[in-house]
Amino acid sequence: GAGVSQSPRYKVTKRGQDVALRCDPISGHVSLYWYRQALGQGPEFLTYFNYEAQQDKSGLPNDRFSAERPEGSISTLTIQRTEQRDSAMYRCASSSFTSGIMGDTQYFGPGTRLTVL
Amino acid sequence: RKEVEQDPGPFNVPEGATVAFNCTYSNSASQSFFWYRQDCRKEPKLLMSVYSSGNEDGRFTAQLNRASQYISLLIRDSKLSDSATYLCVVNTNAGKSTFGDGTTLTVKP
Repeated sequence: GAGVSQSPRYKVTKRGQDVALRCDPISGHVSLYWYRQALGQGPEFLTYFNYEAQQDKSGLPNDRFSAERPEGSISTLTIQRTEQRDSAMYRCASSSFTSGIMGDTQYFGPGTRLTVL
Repeated sequence: RKEVEQDPGPFNVPEGATVAFNCTYSNSASQSFFWYRQDCRKEPKLLMSVYSSGNEDGRFTAQLNRASQYISLLIRDSKLSDSATYLCVVNTNAGKSTFGDGTTLTVKP
């Protein structure tokens, strides 16, 4: 079956532009997570949703970052007024369980490689 | 100090060797624990969950010590295909997942 998909796979933008990164979770998955991963480091938690409700956004670096999941399926991570330090791999993951339950496997998408010039 | 800490390695071992990775976490409210595997330029994938009583899956054994806030992964009879980065993951009941930065393993012929 279809896994988690993300688009675009690669995004190059100029400093100051806004970008929107999309995540299509596995159909029926309840929880959706956003991470940022720098080279040589593990995924850094940004935010997560149960259905359409954003449960925790403590990992968002600043108010230029926002995320939504209005219908409890597709999610969009938006970065406004991008800066060079925003360059990273942005990964989305989904899970069939309400987050926090023991054994809830997170299935990751291939990521969006964002480069801010 | 990071919430989840791992020895970055790299660990370079011959085929057939036994290798162990350690992970410590600082949040005592952590409730669930996992090991993920990440191949170069790929997404992380679940290797195994870690249960309080310890658990085994073939050549892989995971242990949890809640008192010491310590998790381990043991790989026996290493294969070339085990070469990857192993990520320790800790979840709170509130759902937040914290990943370590990973331990890199290279298994050589």
